[in-house]
Amino acid sequence: TQLLEQSPQFLSIQEGENLTVYCNSSSVFSSLQWYRQEPGEGPVLLVTVVTGGEVKKLKRLTFQFGDARKDSSLHITAAQPGDTGLYLCAGAPAGGTSYGKLTFGQGTILTVHP
Amino acid sequence: DTAVSQTPKYLVTQMGNDKSIKCEQNLGHDTMYWYKQDSKKFLKIMFSYNNKELIINETVPNRFSPKSPDKAHLNLHINSLELGDSAVYFCASSSSWYFVVAETQYFGPGTRLLVL
Repeated sequence: TQLLEQSPQFLSIQEGENLTVYCNSSSVFSSLQWYRQEPGEGPVLLVTVVTGGEVKKLKRLTFQFGDARKDSSLHITAAQPGDTGLYLCAGAPAGGTSYGKLTFGQGTILTVHP
Repeated sequence: DTAVSQTPKYLVTQMGNDKSIKCEQNLGHDTMYWYKQDSKKFLKIMFSYNNKELIINETVPNRFSPKSPDKAHLNLHINSLELGDSAVYFCASSSSWYFVVAETQYFGPGTRLLVL
């Protein structure tokens, strides 16, 4: 069974601060995704990273896939209250097709105070 | 137009009852999923269907029975509800189930089930 460990579980910061969320595993993933879930809504995909060492930027959000494709990080620069939400990482297993099955991390609840 | 819709949004019921949740997607996707999100926000896959055919059936009590009348609809019926079934249930869809690199999964708004 592949596991994804996310840290921290909770993050409460002031507007304008920077933060990093980590997603780690002992397993290799063919790709890793980050989703954001707002209260009362379903998760929405932010990014998919595929290549080891890949870095993707989405405005103030920077996503990195580890060289060995076992870990990923999400860095937010100058956080805003609108960034508040639950951030989930999800991995597709390496070594063949995943048959649609994603393994999700436990999530990081981010609160950005004005 | 809502891409993935679920009904009802809230469901409060007594232990032992039977209930159903409905899901519809208008994205033209072949694959649909049911996920359970517990009180700690952990999201776990329960089932997936591809064009009405069951693909993934995780270790879920057989009180849970999914049904897909066509590829745009996936329903979840739960018999003899238990307190531990209280959770948020999400339906999702993707264009296919057969991928090496993860495809985008589009989630519905969730059904909040509370068993008393």
